[in-house]
Amino acid sequence: EVQLVESGGGLVQPGGSLRLSCAASGFTFSSYAMHWVRQAPGKGLQYVSAINSNGGSTYYANSVKGRFTISRDNSKNTLYLQMGSLRAEDMGVYYCARERQAAVDYWGQGTLVTVSS
Amino acid sequence: QSALTQPASVSGSPGQSITISCTGTSSDIGRYNLVSWYQQHPGKAPKLMIYEVTKWPSGVSDRFSGSKSGNTASLTISGLQAEDEADYYCCSYAGSTYVFGNGTKVTVL
Repeated sequence: EVQLVESGGGLVQPGGSLRLSCAASGFTFSSYAMHWVRQAPGKGLQYVSAINSNGGSTYYANSVKGRFTISRDNSKNTLYLQMGSLRAEDMGVYYCARERQAAVDYWGQGTLVTVSS
Repeated sequence: QSALTQPASVSGSPGQSITISCTGTSSDIGRYNLVSWYQQHPGKAPKLMIYEVTKWPSGVSDRFSGSKSGNTASLTISGLQAEDEADYYCCSYAGSTYVFGNGTKVTVL
């Protein structure tokens, strides 16, 4: 069974940093591109970042470029999102997601990031 | 990277068919046959319903169907059921990035 379990969310002050992790199991992690997608409270889904299967290519939404870094450790079956210079508009639930054929076929349950002083 | 445009809400009675539109540009929907649709119930993670415009993932009912014309994609739900009441999001590949729609709330009357 495919499982994606996010961790690392929490309360952080504006301008602060946070690192999210996503532990993957039930599939060959190193064979799939992975994504981070977020959802602000009461709002829609927003693409944040993606990384190809070997970590050699990364993609970012303009709103997070230069502040967030996506990475992966295929030996640990884990996806990461290092978030810096956090703003109120970065607040929301962050989902880890597996890509297959240009769609997300599995989602984690999400981890909540709150940016507030 | 502007969000794809979806109607805020669509409603229908049980058994009816409804269609949700998703309008993008020639840089996303119009260029690639890589549109996907997601269903999200309150407090839950999204669920993939359609990928590559018209294809069903395993386990998804064929009451859900997708199509595309020009810069607009559509999701049709046939034989509307109470459990279809949820938020629906379209998503398109846009060349090294992805863009989601703003979401449509489907209400079953």
